[in-house]
Amino acid sequence: GAGVSQTPSNKVTEKGKYVELRCDPISGHTALYWYRQSLGQGPEFLIYFQGTGAADDSGLPNDRFFAVRPEGSVSTLKIQRTERGDSAMYLCASSPRGGSLSPGELFFGEGSRLTVL
Amino acid sequence: RKEVEQDPGPFNVPEGATVAFNCTYSNSASQSFFWYRQDCRKEPKLLMSVYSSGNEDGRFTAQLNRASQYISLLIRDSKLSDSATYLCVVNTDSGGSNYKLTFGKGTLLTVNP
Repeated sequence: GAGVSQTPSNKVTEKGKYVELRCDPISGHTALYWYRQSLGQGPEFLIYFQGTGAADDSGLPNDRFFAVRPEGSVSTLKIQRTERGDSAMYLCASSPRGGSLSPGELFFGEGSRLTVL
Repeated sequence: RKEVEQDPGPFNVPEGATVAFNCTYSNSASQSFFWYRQDCRKEPKLLMSVYSSGNEDGRFTAQLNRASQYISLLIRDSKLSDSATYLCVVNTDSGGSNYKLTFGKGTLLTVNP
């Protein structure tokens, strides 16, 4: 597709369950980002990939959160033992590269809304 | 102090009004600055970059004051379609790369007919 695609768009799960959220970036974009947005807040950085490797995962809140991008394209955000506080919109974004060619412009997907009951 | 702080809003203005949003940032090493727009239940999208000399894009004017660590966005002749949340965004990466943008909480603008 033309834009960043995220699935599922909505996920409702029970506390303690495992969840995977998928992101398919814009074709050719080497940089991929995960952000989390809670109600009434701005997006909060989680992790950044340049190619296959996680260049910066300092925003992941704890070790229940993990993300992969094995082939440098699609990425999966994995959340183990979900807690009610994990409920939020998880936004994925991509950019042509992590450099300054187009500084500041991230192309976001529509997000995956996670609700933990 | 939060890294990026914005006017809490919400702002309710009539069509044609001029409205200004303010934002302050705490990290003096911040290199680049942006305003993003987010429509209700939609993803954020880049509205405009903010340059030290100030910059204008149609009805929108952005200003940066590095000494005061202050950023502003002015919208003139507001339209109904300007109704959205406006996010102040700061990039602290010294290499000038895109990543690790820090977003403010956003200010909700509603333009009324």
